[in-house]
Amino acid sequence: GAVVSQHPSWVICKSGTSVKIECRSLDFQATTMFWYRQFPKQSLMLMATSNEGSKATYEQGVEKDKFLINHASLTLSTLTVTSAHPEDSSFYICSAGLAGALGETQYFGPGTRLLVL
Amino acid sequence: GENVEQHPSTLSVQEGDSAVIKCTYSDSASNYFPWYKQELGKRPQLIIDIRSNVGEKKDQRIAVTLNKTAKHFSLHITETQPEDSAVYFCAASSGGSNYKLTFGKGTLLTVNP
Repeated sequence: GAVVSQHPSWVICKSGTSVKIECRSLDFQATTMFWYRQFPKQSLMLMATSNEGSKATYEQGVEKDKFLINHASLTLSTLTVTSAHPEDSSFYICSAGLAGALGETQYFGPGTRLLVL
Repeated sequence: GENVEQHPSTLSVQEGDSAVIKCTYSDSASNYFPWYKQELGKRPQLIIDIRSNVGEKKDQRIAVTLNKTAKHFSLHITETQPEDSAVYFCAASSGGSNYKLTFGKGTLLTVNP
């Protein structure tokens, strides 16, 4: 149980294009989904928190117009990197929160590696 | 906001030895402390977690201890195996409305055969 998928796993795009990444909770409904960015040999940096049907909450320093998040259902959240540039190249990982009796647990997707040329 | 410090950044042990990774946190309101294992290029996988109503939790070779007074928690792996080699991240959350996690910087554990 608690499986999270992410698509695509790899994407290479030209500078200036937009890229959409999907995050799905396959066997549970996620009250909250989270988007992280991870640079090589570094920790996970939270970009934004997404709740179904409401606007995402962005962390300080993350441009909301650059990284558009849509959370249309309890099993799907999307991150769109708009007008991507080489500095946006990174490993993007989503997680989905599974509510339990004692609280919520985050389960991670497999990540999407973005390379902007 | 919450700040999580993790030590050591790298740890090398011989197969069969124990490994201990320590984390401290700053927000006394934090009440949930998960540990994730991340192999190269893969997703972080939850290996164990502890909530503030207990001081210790075990799952086979893995255990986590929590000292709320001192605001630190530790991961203990006994009888280490080469497949335990990975980066381990601790995290802390104060719960609330969105259970946001603050991660430590990670520990690269290498288990030498």
